Amino acid sequence: GQNIDQPTEMTATEGAIVQINCTYQTSGFNGLFWYQQHAGEAPTFLSYNVLDGLEEKGRFSSFLSRSKGYSYLLLKELQMKDSASYLCAVSDSNYQLIWGAGTKLIIKP
Amino acid sequence: ETGVTQTPRHLVMGMTNKKSLKCEQHLGHNAMYWYKQSAKKPLELMFVYSLEERVENNSVPSRFSPECPNSSHLFLHLHTLQPEDSALYLCASSQALAGGPDEQFFGPGTRLTVL
Repeated sequence: GQNIDQPTEMTATEGAIVQINCTYQTSGFNGLFWYQQHAGEAPTFLSYNVLDGLEEKGRFSSFLSRSKGYSYLLLKELQMKDSASYLCAVSDSNYQLIWGAGTKLIIKP
Repeated sequence: ETGVTQTPRHLVMGMTNKKSLKCEQHLGHNAMYWYKQSAKKPLELMFVYSLEERVENNSVPSRFSPECPNSSHLFLHLHTLQPEDSALYLCASSQALAGGPDEQFFGPGTRLTVL
């Protein structure tokens, strides 16, 4: 079967760095997405990785290792507004997105 | 209006009611999706339409009936729902490219409660 695993909840301090991990087992791989979803709002696109390595976009970076079936989202200089759920999704061999359950990130002052 | 819009934002219905959820995308995309989001569970893909043709139906109960009259509009007709159908229903759209992954743009969702 296809499976995406990510921690249910994480807590971090304002101004710090946090890494949210995602491991996957899918039938085929055509890229990995990270989305952010604030409570009661729509998920919004953060990043896309299809090749191994690190993609940096401002305070957010995303890393992929296809051989390990592993990705992480790195958030630097955390702000209170970063409190949200972070969803990992993999595009499988049919280009269908397989979603993780999301990681709820709580930022404390 | 920009992006993807959904109405209503909140809906409470009894098990014998019939209601419809509406989604509209203003992005010129050619694919639209219905997802169900329950607490602490992964997004569940319900239906996919590409160029107004349904291409995916992940064994969704017949009490959910989708309709896609054109590439900008998507409906989800609901009838005789069960309390376990209470969830956030998200609509998304994308510019599906042949043989390539695509970023999906989501609407704000309809919070459905079935009594």
